[in-house]
Amino acid sequence: EAAVTQSPRNKVAVTGGKVTLSCNQTNNHNNMYWYRQDTGHGLRLIHYSYGAGSTEKGDIPDGYKASRPSQENFSLILELATPSQTSVYFCASGDGTGRDTQYFGPGTRLLVL
Amino acid sequence: TQTVSQSDAHVTVFEGDSVELRCNYSYGGSIYLSWYIQHHGHGLQFLLKYYSGNPVVQGVNGFEAEFSKSDSSFHLRKASVHWSDSAVYFCAVSADYNQGKLIFGQGTKLSIKP
Repeated sequence: EAAVTQSPRNKVAVTGGKVTLSCNQTNNHNNMYWYRQDTGHGLRLIHYSYGAGSTEKGDIPDGYKASRPSQENFSLILELATPSQTSVYFCASGDGTGRDTQYFGPGTRLLVL
Repeated sequence: TQTVSQSDAHVTVFEGDSVELRCNYSYGGSIYLSWYIQHHGHGLQFLLKYYSGNPVVQGVNGFEAEFSKSDSSFHLRKASVHWSDSAVYFCAVSADYNQGKLIFGQGTKLSIKP
């Protein structure tokens, strides 16, 4: 029943390796977002999307790519993972207006060794 | 520059006490102010939102927040906390002209003593 799901929930990667985090939403929302959460920083926006085929840079896009192949799916890609990308990553969906409520997934905990 | 500030990183109260979690913002134009809650190991869940009208907004589980334009604040309150309210609370700002992107504060961890 969960409207926003993420996979994997936990991931251990090696420095220089490629990591793909996946997100699926059943809310039929146009917008999807990727955030990372680090102690002392709250949540920071990495990439977002207005709909299938679109990706936009957020506030901290360096080192990350995104892909939105369909309305339901939004992936975050780390081509060359670094230890500084160790974090908890959250996906969210929303209709893209200020009054909208965003719905968050359960998060993916990534450790880059 | 759009900023959201939560001055208290950690707040501890006894069960049954009242609590106020503070949020101040710096943002131009028409905005929406929200509070989200994050229980340990979970994603964020929406609590409440203010856009216009009555400055006191009611949310779920007895939470309410009050908007003050003069103080640039949107503080969250609860009259009597329960142990299950232990969580991290995030204040956030969004705007129509910003495609609904949320700008979050750093979060306040609320701990409830029995």
